[in-house]
Amino acid sequence: AQTVTQSQPEMSVQEAETVTLSCTYDTSENNYYLFWYKQPPSRQMILVIRQEAYKQQNATENRFSVNFQKAAKSFSLKISDSQLGDTAMYFCGLTNFGNEKLTFGTGTRLTIIP
Amino acid sequence: DTEVTQTPKHLVMGMTNKKSLKCEQHMGHRAMYWYKQKAKKPPELMFVYSYEKLSINESVPSRFSPECPNSSLLNLHLHALQPEDSALYLCASSQDHDRLTEMNTGELFFGEGSRLTVL
Repeated sequence: AQTVTQSQPEMSVQEAETVTLSCTYDTSENNYYLFWYKQPPSRQMILVIRQEAYKQQNATENRFSVNFQKAAKSFSLKISDSQLGDTAMYFCGLTNFGNEKLTFGTGTRLTIIP
Repeated sequence: DTEVTQTPKHLVMGMTNKKSLKCEQHMGHRAMYWYKQKAKKPPELMFVYSYEKLSINESVPSRFSPECPNSSLLNLHLHALQPEDSALYLCASSQDHDRLTEMNTGELFFGEGSRLTVL
């Protein structure tokens, strides 16, 4: 069984600041993918960033980067220079190789304050 | 703009009604998914279709009946639902699905969802 835990139900930061969202997970597999998805209010969920477990280098996508600590089973998301459009629910997710099931964490509601 | 289109966006039905949710994608994706999302909760996987065949059924009650007429379409037929079935129903598709290894390695593309209310 695989589990994903997000311990921060809500966070808020001032616009232009940097914020880090936490995620820990557990899986018995050695090969898996980790994701951060963003769900803005009343809009569809979109992928923010993806990390392959076999890659040591942390994934980055413009203002979004991750801190992947495989031994600690930690996968945090850092948002730099936060913008009002970053206000959304953020879900951390995990998929094992050979398994179509994407397991989500409980989510972190992020609010960017003008 | 979403490339996964779900209809209707809103649906209100009684417990004795029969209705259907529809999902369509034209990205050539070969895996399609139904998720159920309650307010302030993460999406919960219901069904996965891979190459038009049902590959995952997460022990969903039979009052939910999925159908995949072709690789672009995914339906969810609803019958005799309960008020607790009220939720946002999300459809998703994925491209990076290897037929031999059955690995889902890629991004899920979600629709905007169908908000269902059961009275």
